[in-house]
Amino acid sequence: SQQGEEDPQALSIQEGENATMNCSYKTSINNLQWYRQNSGRGLVHLILIRSNEREKHSGRLRVTLDTSKKSSSLLITASRAADTASYFCATSGGVTDKLIFGTGTRLQVFP
Amino acid sequence: NAGVTQTPKFQVLKTGQSMTLQCAQDMNHEYMSWYRQDPGMGLRLIHYSVGAGITDQGEVPNGYNVSRSTTEDFPLRLLSAAPSQTSVYFCASGRNTQYFGPGTRLTVL
Repeated sequence: SQQGEEDPQALSIQEGENATMNCSYKTSINNLQWYRQNSGRGLVHLILIRSNEREKHSGRLRVTLDTSKKSSSLLITASRAADTASYFCATSGGVTDKLIFGTGTRLQVFP
Repeated sequence: NAGVTQTPKFQVLKTGQSMTLQCAQDMNHEYMSWYRQDPGMGLRLIHYSVGAGITDQGEVPNGYNVSRSTTEDFPLRLLSAAPSQTSVYFCASGRNTQYFGPGTRLTVL
């Protein structure tokens, strides 16, 4: 079964707007990661946030983690058409660090 | 530095046929994984390996075998293909940050 559930499943915005995607998970984690997948391609790692961190930034990306609510959010600021992709959260926990992916959010950014 | 490579890119099999999906990495990572991606399902872990000679099952291991004789290679074997195995298969390398190959699109008729 999937560990993470993303919300919304799909999101359409105009260039320049911000995009927020949410991820909820079920069990305790070591870290949570966000990946991007362009259509027909492999996944690309965006950012990792550890369980003892609450917020992390990387360029136009901002990730928050609330372990008490078992949830995370990914904010993309000033979006561009090139940000059009599917975004997945993935959690890692236990001694094996197996990565369990959510079902993804499809983001469409219109120029 | 090629990263993670997968072959073939596309494959069509008939039910009952067997085949091996190849995966290789040149980053000297101990940790490698195989996932399948189905529409609306995200990625599901099939098998993973924490080093040469060590493999373990993921969420959906049935119908698949793996071996890890070297650090670089992690092949995935379909023993007797079934239509339910029609999917896109991704190999990944690395532990905390995983680097993904371009995928193999498999159709089983």
